[in-house]
Amino acid sequence: DAGVTQSPTHLIKTRGQQVTLRCSPKSGHDTVSWYQQALGQGPQFIFQYYEEEERQRGNFPDRFSGHQFPNYSSELNVNALLLGDSALYLCASSSRRMFNEKLFFGSGTQLSVL
Amino acid sequence: DQQVKQNSPSLSVQEGRISILNCDYTNSMFDYFLWYKKYPAEGPTFLISISSIKDKNEDGRFTVFLNKSAKHLSLHIVPSQPGDSAVYFCAASLNQGGKLIFGQGTELSVKP
Repeated sequence: DAGVTQSPTHLIKTRGQQVTLRCSPKSGHDTVSWYQQALGQGPQFIFQYYEEEERQRGNFPDRFSGHQFPNYSSELNVNALLLGDSALYLCASSSRRMFNEKLFFGSGTQLSVL
Repeated sequence: DQQVKQNSPSLSVQEGRISILNCDYTNSMFDYFLWYKKYPAEGPTFLISISSIKDKNEDGRFTVFLNKSAKHLSLHIVPSQPGDSAVYFCAASLNQGGKLIFGQGTELSVKP
């Protein structure tokens, strides 16, 4: 049973560029959340998607946007990259239908903005 | 505003002894608390959780204690094993399924 998979694992971009990160949830899961983890900090909630709609959003600017597809996979897009966007981006999935709210995390995408 | 705090960045314990990791929170509306463990180059993995209606939850070697009046929770690992060496995050949410607010993490090192 594949867990949460994220791609790519590493990415290097320059300031002002745009980036798209991808996530496939654990089999049977229908809810995807994205978190940003800066070095030495805990993960910070960006947003959560369920039934292809953004259901909750953390304190992140509109440069951060997302999408969920009918197969429950998800994308995180960041526009106009800043140096401060350098971080580990974690995708987490859960099953709202099964009332199983414990999050399963992927290994993350390490984004470096130069 | 750091709503969930782990004030000890690191903890070193001898194998076989007890590890106690602490976490404080400020929002009394938090309803659900969780502990996650993270190894390098891996995502966090769920360890144990507790709802605000309980004050203790056990799962094998792991026990979480919740003191609502002090807004404090702790994770006890007994006995500690070298494989427990990892970064431990506590997290809280206003409801099950809601966004998680994480602490900064405590790096546990268990010495053989």
